[in-house]
Amino acid sequence: GAGVSQSPSNKVTEKGKDVELRCDPISGHTALYWYRQRLGQGLEFLIYFQGNSAPDKSGLPSDRFSAERTGESVSTLTIQRTQQEDSAVYLCASSLNRDHSYEQYFGPGTRLTVT
Amino acid sequence: AQKVTQAQTEISVVEKEDVTLDCVYETRDTTYYLFWYKQPPSGELVFLIRRNSFDEQNEISGRYSWNFQKSTSSFNFTITASQVVDSAVYFCALSEEGTGFQKLVFGTGTRLLVSP
Repeated sequence: GAGVSQSPSNKVTEKGKDVELRCDPISGHTALYWYRQRLGQGLEFLIYFQGNSAPDKSGLPSDRFSAERTGESVSTLTIQRTQQEDSAVYLCASSLNRDHSYEQYFGPGTRLTVT
Repeated sequence: AQKVTQAQTEISVVEKEDVTLDCVYETRDTTYYLFWYKQPPSGELVFLIRRNSFDEQNEISGRYSWNFQKSTSSFNFTITASQVVDSAVYFCALSEEGTGFQKLVFGTGTRLLVSP
């Protein structure tokens, strides 16, 4: 079946502009996660959704970052007033979260470049 | 404190060599999961294996094998007879009962370069 998809695949924006990144999880997966990967680094957890609620937002780096999920499906990560340090690949993952199936399946990511 | 440590930043081998990627983790939870992911040059993370803290049996899948040792808090990954297609960055990750297994904590990754 279809995997996790993300759009756009690449986004170049000017400092100070807002951006929206989209994630479509695997159908039936109740949990959805956002991570950030800076160049040459590991992944940093940002936020996760169980259904449409976000029990853990602890990884969001500042109040410029927000995310929402609707219909237990699509999620949008919004970065307001982008800064150059926001440049990174933003990865979305989804998980079934049932019967001890906690492995997360990742999308291809959105490469964000802030100029 | 670093919860997942992958001390090897980069490893270079020649095709057909065996290679072991090290992973050491730290947790206070008695129930947790460990994972390995592969990130090829295309960038998409590929799930390789999940192991729960109560299952210390080693696992083999084709050329891949994993050695989980709770006594040393390690979950090492061995590729036998490496191939050029194994070139990628490999990440070890941990999820803990304390977070409802919802947050993956990743190591910094080991870049494996397999040359012909």
